Amino acid sequence: GNSVTQMEGPVTLSEEAFLTINCTYTATGYPSLFWYVQYPGEGLQLLLKATKADDKGSNKGFEATYRKETTSFHLEKGSVQVSDSAVYFCARTHTGGFKTIFGAGTRLFVKA
Amino acid sequence: DAGITQSPRHKVTETGTPVTLRCHQTENHRYMYWYRQDPGHGLRLIHYSYGVKDTDKGEVSDGYSVSRSKTEDFLLTLESATSSQTSVYFCAISDPEVPIYFGEGSWLTVV
Repeated sequence: GNSVTQMEGPVTLSEEAFLTINCTYTATGYPSLFWYVQYPGEGLQLLLKATKADDKGSNKGFEATYRKETTSFHLEKGSVQVSDSAVYFCARTHTGGFKTIFGAGTRLFVKA
Repeated sequence: DAGITQSPRHKVTETGTPVTLRCHQTENHRYMYWYRQDPGHGLRLIHYSYGVKDTDKGEVSDGYSVSRSKTEDFLLTLESATSSQTSVYFCAISDPEVPIYFGEGSWLTVV
């Protein structure tokens, strides 16, 4: 099938801790992969993307590597801040396609 | 977000009344979408459009209709609102090679 599975939240971390949010996908073909972030009261914003195998997307200290062999796109950050508290969505689409499939979202709380 | 405007941003309406939400884009993107977001359900696609007057159903289209008479506008109509349609509605746009991005949301409460 075509789906995106990400770890359930909430994830609660202390400031400066290391963050990993797991994401795996199923797809036919070679999708592009994305992480979106949603802050309270706002719409989703694109955080980073990767369009082919072994690509690493990065932005604002967050990184994710497109792993075709494990069909994964795990989000990582070396040192989280309180301001990173938000809901994070993993997503995929097909190359050449236009619809985007989203995971269920993972809520992150970062404590000072 | 810049380039997408949703209106109204907040609305309270009574059960059985019609409601129309408007999405306006200034990016000239081909594809437009309406999603709803509810606790425990994540984002669910209601309807989408792949061009002027070209629309199709998403996964939760019952009770909703859409129209796209111009590239820049995508309207979502609830013909007779029900309490189960209380939600946050997001419009989104995309283009070939351009990732989907979202408006700020419209909070609808049906009482």
